[in-house]
Order: sequence, then structure tokens, then C-alpha cells
Amino acid sequence: ETGVTQTPRHLVMGMTNKKSLKCEQHLGHNAMYWYKQSAKKPLELMFVYNFKEQTENNSVPSRFSPECPNSSHLFLHLHTLQPEDSALYLCASSQEGYTEAFFGQGTRLTVV
Amino acid sequence: QKEVEQNSGPLSVPEGAIASLNCTYSDRGSQSFFWYRQYSGKSPELIMSIYSNGDKEDGRFTAQLNKASQYVSLLIRDSQPSDSATYLCAVKGYNAGNMLTFGGGTRLMVKP
Repeated sequence: ETGVTQTPRHLVMGMTNKKSLKCEQHLGHNAMYWYKQSAKKPLELMFVYNFKEQTENNSVPSRFSPECPNSSHLFLHLHTLQPEDSALYLCASSQEGYTEAFFGQGTRLTVV
Repeated sequence: QKEVEQNSGPLSVPEGAIASLNCTYSDRGSQSFFWYRQYSGKSPELIMSIYSNGDKEDGRFTAQLNKASQYVSLLIRDSQPSDSATYLCAVKGYNAGNMLTFGGGTRLMVKP
């Protein structure tokens, strides 16, 4: 079983749909992250959770709504997205402190 | 000024050569430094971490850190076509809390 698991791997949604991305980590980490990576662009940090508390919201539009019910699970709720939101969405986790982060496989999102 | 800067490339090297990838960062309080490799359409994979000044070797990879110059590099010896990917420098520092800051990545192409 991989350390950080994301579902679904691929998602196509209309602009009026509501969907959720799920991330689960089995590493015992206490920090979880959502990143967005658009085509040929750098990784963009979206949200950070430490011990289930949101510590970073990087000016993300409200159509993206994160949820962290516990330190092992992280969700990204999506509603009324735009075509420019099509991207690879990556979840990562790390232990508090100066340690590395591990990424999930990502969800390839296409908004039509 | 970007917090973590990398030359976007592409950096093209022949098979068997040494590839040298560079990264500079702005936060003097940074304590942890990481190199990730990302194949196209895939999630980043951690390949090296370094925490103190000097060199750290792991197989064909050597990470070099110079905190006084705020500079970290990755050397890949005996480069192989399978090393062709985007290499991301990431920094975690005192001022950034528990947050990884990524550079834009350098695309490496190893030609047979």
C-alpha cells in the first residue's frame, strides 16, 4: 500500500458539477498539503493543514474548499469550476519539522 | 524575487556525462533542502535531502549545500536517458513554518 493515496486518479467534470478529491496518508504524518500543477507550470501550493488545522490558504478561489477531518485524510471539494482549473492536483504529507514531504499519485482534473 | 529559483532549462547533456542542477533560495532561515524528480504527468518523487553544509552522496546523485551563499545543487553522474525529467528543488525553513517551498523546476534531457 502506498504511503499517500489519492482518488480518483482521473476526473472529468462539468462547470456546474460538484465533486470531491480524496487523499489518505498511511505514514503517521501530521501535516497535509494540496498542490495544483497546471500544464508546463510550477507547483502551486493551495492549502496546508497541521494537526487538522488549516495553516495556509494561498489565495485560492472559494470554489475550492478543503476539509481535513483527521490527520490521515484530506479532501478538496470542488464546485462551479472553470476550464482553467483543469490541472494535476497533488496531495502531500509530512511530519512536523524539517522533514521531507511525500506525494500521492495525483488527480488529473479536466473541467469541460 | 522568487523564494526558490531554478533555471527552467531544458538542460541537455549526453549520456554518461555529469548533469549539474542549481537552486538558490531567499530565506536565510531555511534548514531543510530537498530534490524531487518529476516525470511528465506524474507526481514528484523525493530523491535527495540535505540539511547541513557540504556534500551528500547517494549512488549517482550528489547534493551540495552552501548556506552562506544560499545555494543548493544536485549532481547526477553517469547520466542516463531515464534521468530525463524535471527536477524540483524544495526548501523548508524557519520562516515558512511547516511549508515546503518549491522552485519552478529544471527540465533535464539526457541524450543517448
